[in-house]
Order: sequence, then C-alpha cells, then structure tokens
Amino acid sequence: TQLLKQSPQFLSIQEGENLTVYCNSSSVFSSLQWYRQEPGEGPVLLVTVVTGGEVKKLKRLTFQFGDARKDSSLHITAAQTGDTGLYLCAGGDSNYQLIWGAGTKLIIKP
Amino acid sequence: DADVTQTPRNRITKTGKRIMLECSQTKGHDRMYWYRQDPGLGLRLIYYSFDVKDINKGEISDGYSVSRQAQAKFSLSLESAIPNQTALYFCATRGRRNTEAFFGQGTRLTVV
Repeated sequence: TQLLKQSPQFLSIQEGENLTVYCNSSSVFSSLQWYRQEPGEGPVLLVTVVTGGEVKKLKRLTFQFGDARKDSSLHITAAQTGDTGLYLCAGGDSNYQLIWGAGTKLIIKP
Repeated sequence: DADVTQTPRNRITKTGKRIMLECSQTKGHDRMYWYRQDPGLGLRLIYYSFDVKDINKGEISDGYSVSRQAQAKFSLSLESAIPNQTALYFCATRGRRNTEAFFGQGTRLTVV
C-alpha cells in the first residue's frame, strides 16, 4: 500500500514568517500534486511536478520534487493571512490514481 | 456555473435512513470519484468510475453504493446511514494520466 505522510499536521505562524511543509513516502510516484483547500470548499490544484529534482515557483510558494520521486516539499516565503488553509499532497501511481496525504493545516496569524 | 456540482450541500439524516448524494460535472471527463474527508485522515476513496460501464470500489466502500447514470453524473448512496458515516463528502473528476482533479464544494452529512 502506498502511503503519503505529510508533516507537520498543524502549523500556526505569524504573518511574514517563512515555512516549509513536507510530503514523504517510501514509494515512487509518477507525479506529485499539491492542493489547497479552504473551509467549505473542495481542494484546488496549486502545482503538479513530474520530474525528479524539479522545482516550481508560484509567486511566494516554491515546490520541490525529490530526486527519487518519493517526497516533496512546499516552502512559503513571507506568509500572508491569505495562505491560511489545508495543504494536501497527492501522488500519482502507475494506474494514474491519486494517493492522498492527510494534509497540513496552516494558520497564518495577522 | 461550477465545473463540478454536488447536491445537497448539507444534510442531516437519521440512523437507518437511505440517502443519496448527487454529483454532476461539465468538464467532459470520463473519470469520476467519491471521497470522504474526516479531520486528520485526509481524503479517502469510496468509489470511482472510469466510464459509464466501469465502477470500482475504493478503500472504504462498505456501506456505500454508487450509480453512474451518464458521463456527467455520478451519485453516491448510503443504503442505511449510520452515525460513523458523518463526514464531508466530495465528488471529483479527472482527465487521463497526470491531470488535475476537479472537486465539488462538498456535502456535509450528519447522521444522528
């Protein structure tokens, strides 16, 4: 069974600080996606990474896919209150199914 | 209009009742999914369908059934609801290969 473990489960920081959240597995994935979910809404895709070592930037968010395609990280620079939400990672397996992590709940305090 | 629409958005039902959650999509995707979300457990797959004639059980299908009425419609039924089925339920669609999953806004179901 492929599992994706996200850490930390919960993070509360002040606006302006930097943070990194992680998504780890013992399995290799063909792709890794990051989603953000806000209360009362479904998850929305932020980024897809497919190549080992790949780094993608989305404004203040930097996503990295591990060289072995087993792990990923999301780094937020100068966090803003609008970054508050649940961050989910999802790995694509060989059957094109998505394996989901349990999420990191992020709260940015003003 | 939303790409993926779920109805109802909220529902309170009694133990033992049958309830159906409906999902429709305008993305034109063949693949549709039902998930439940519980705090700290993430998204768990209940059922998925790759086309109208293809229905597959996910990791937590017991107590649930589904119907794929058309490419655009995929409904989830709880034949006899029980309190531990209280959760947030999401429908999602996805294209082929490593593509984005599009989610509905969710149905918050409470079984009392």
